[in-house]
Amino acid sequence: EVQLLESGGGLVQPGGSLTLSCAASGFTFSSYAMNWVRQAPGKGLEWVSGISSSGGDTYYADSVKGRLTVSRDNSKNTLFLQMNSLRADDAAVYYCARPSLTLIRVIITWGQGTLVTVSS
Amino acid sequence: QSALTQPASVSGSPGQSITISCTGTSSDFGDYHLVSWFQQHPGKAPKLMIYEVYKRPSGVSNRFSGSKFGNTASLTISGLQAEDEGDYYCCSYVGRGTYVVFGGGTKLTVV
Repeated sequence: EVQLLESGGGLVQPGGSLTLSCAASGFTFSSYAMNWVRQAPGKGLEWVSGISSSGGDTYYADSVKGRLTVSRDNSKNTLFLQMNSLRADDAAVYYCARPSLTLIRVIITWGQGTLVTVSS
Repeated sequence: QSALTQPASVSGSPGQSITISCTGTSSDFGDYHLVSWFQQHPGKAPKLMIYEVYKRPSGVSNRFSGSKFGNTASLTISGLQAEDEGDYYCCSYVGRGTYVVFGGGTKLTVV
């Protein structure tokens, strides 16, 4: 069974940093591109970042470019999101999401999410 | 302003059919067949209901169907049931310079 388990969320002050992790199991992690998608309280879904299967290519939404960094450790089946210079509008549930093997822009599977709160 | 526009809300009675539209503002949207639809219940992660415009994942009821004509994709739910109530999001690649875009979401109420 495919499982994605996010962790690392919590309360952080504006301007602070946080690193999210997503532990993957039940599939060959190193074969799949991966994504982060977020949802602010009471709002819709927003794609945040994507990374190729090897980690060599990364993609970001304009709203997070330069502040968030996606990476992966294929030896540990883990996806990361390093979040710096956090702002109030970064507060959201962050989901790890796996796409189709062949169509990397077709998201198939979601984790349960981890909540990031940005407040002083 | 999302590149994919959905109605904020739709409603229907049990047993009826409803359709949720998803209109792309980019002319490139009409060239791609990568539209997905997700259902989300309060406090839960999104669930894939339709992918590549009309394909249904294993385990999803055949009451859910998808289509696309030009720049508008649609999700139709037939034989509405109370458990269908929730938020629905379309998602797609919409052309060069984008990666993945979500629609603003549609709240479905079964009255």
